[in-house]
Amino acid sequence: QVQLQESGPGLVKPSETLSLTCTVSGYSISSGYNWAWIRQPPGKGLEWIGRIYHSGPPHYNPSLKSRVTISVDTSKNQFSLKLNSVTAADTAMYSCARDGNYEYGAFDIWGQGTMVTVSS
Amino acid sequence: QSALTQPASASGSPGQSITISCTGTSSDVGGYNHVSWYQQHPGRAPKLMIYDVSNGISGVSNRFSGSKSGNTASLTISGLQAEDEADYYCSAYTTSSTVVFGGGTRLTVL
Repeated sequence: QVQLQESGPGLVKPSETLSLTCTVSGYSISSGYNWAWIRQPPGKGLEWIGRIYHSGPPHYNPSLKSRVTISVDTSKNQFSLKLNSVTAADTAMYSCARDGNYEYGAFDIWGQGTMVTVSS
Repeated sequence: QSALTQPASASGSPGQSITISCTGTSSDVGGYNHVSWYQQHPGRAPKLMIYDVSNGISGVSNRFSGSKSGNTASLTISGLQAEDEADYYCSAYTTSSTVVFGGGTRLTVL
């Protein structure tokens, strides 16, 4: 059974870098699938942040591209998100997910999500 | 990329059918048959209900169905049940090889 688990600080100061890791269990990232980060501000909708494949370049949401880095560590079976120069607008539930249909946005397995608050 | 347009709310009585629309452009919804639908209950992770416009997911009730015409995709829920009360989101693959979500629709079962 494939499971995803997000980890990282729940509080980040404005202008600093948000760093999260998604640990995948029950499946080897290097075997395939695209892996994504998605966020949801409190009371608002879902926003796709970006995706990565174990052997390919990441793809990012154009609105976040200048501040986002997604990377993968196959040795640890993890992929990570870094979002720099954060503001209060980046306060959200951050979730990692598996795209079950190539890169087409059919996110069939999700982590439980981790709430990140940007505040001094 | 702009979020896909969904009605903010929808409602229906038990047993009725309801359709939620998701409108985009020729660069996303209209560009490919890669539209997905998600159900999200409060405090829970989204659950994939439909992918590639109309393909169902194993274990998901066949009361949920999807379709598309031009730049608008639709999710239809037949035989509405109390447990269907949730937020629903569409997503679409774009011509920029990214994914965009809709703003979400809150479904109330009266």
